[in-house]
Amino acid sequence: QVQLQESGPGLVKPSETLSLTCTVSGGSISSFYWSWIRQSPGKGLEWIGYIHYSGSTNYYPSLKSRVTISLDTSKNQFSLKLNSVTAADTAVYYCARAGQNWNYGYHMDVWGKGITVTVSS
Amino acid sequence: DIVMTQSPDSLAVSLGERATINCKSSQSVLSSSNNKNYLAWYQQRPGQPPNLLIYWASTRESGVPDRFSGSGSGTDFTLTISSLQAEDVAVYYCQQYYSTPFTFGPGTKVDIK
Repeated sequence: QVQLQESGPGLVKPSETLSLTCTVSGGSISSFYWSWIRQSPGKGLEWIGYIHYSGSTNYYPSLKSRVTISLDTSKNQFSLKLNSVTAADTAVYYCARAGQNWNYGYHMDVWGKGITVTVSS
Repeated sequence: DIVMTQSPDSLAVSLGERATINCKSSQSVLSSSNNKNYLAWYQQRPGQPPNLLIYWASTRESGVPDRFSGSGSGTDFTLTISSLQAEDVAVYYCQQYYSTPFTFGPGTKVDIK
């Protein structure tokens, strides 16, 4: 059974870079899309972007200038970097598996438990 | 971007009664190439990550109780819980994966009356 686990610092200073890693266990990172989603305190869900195992990426337009999602197939991990953070980036960050292709769909069927990241000096 | 809206914002239902949540997309999420609706429903219990309930608007994910059902097509969708159980207290989100950026509805909170 595939499991995902987010890791990274829980506190980031304003203007610095938020860096998180998602480790995939129980299955291969190949053949799938992998997403990052965040949820601000008391708010709904916001899709940040995805990466395909081939390395292609797609980001939420309003975050695109600050976001990079990358893949390390040798470690079965994918990562999120969000630079120039502000308090508005404080959220629970989730990683999720997001399907294989147009015909299989991109619904997110496996999620990590989430990691709380606070942006504060 | 496709904007997702949900109604109601919250509802309280007696145990064993039906709960109905509506979701509307600002444009159709029905693909003409494969006749599939690119719409999913998630359940998020307090302190937990979202959990996939329904995809393709009406296909139940493996392990999801059959009291959960999804219906609708194009721009209008419904999630129905046929007989509410205590463990169904949660926030429910719809999400479109027809086009990027993938977008979620604002959520509907379900409580016990």
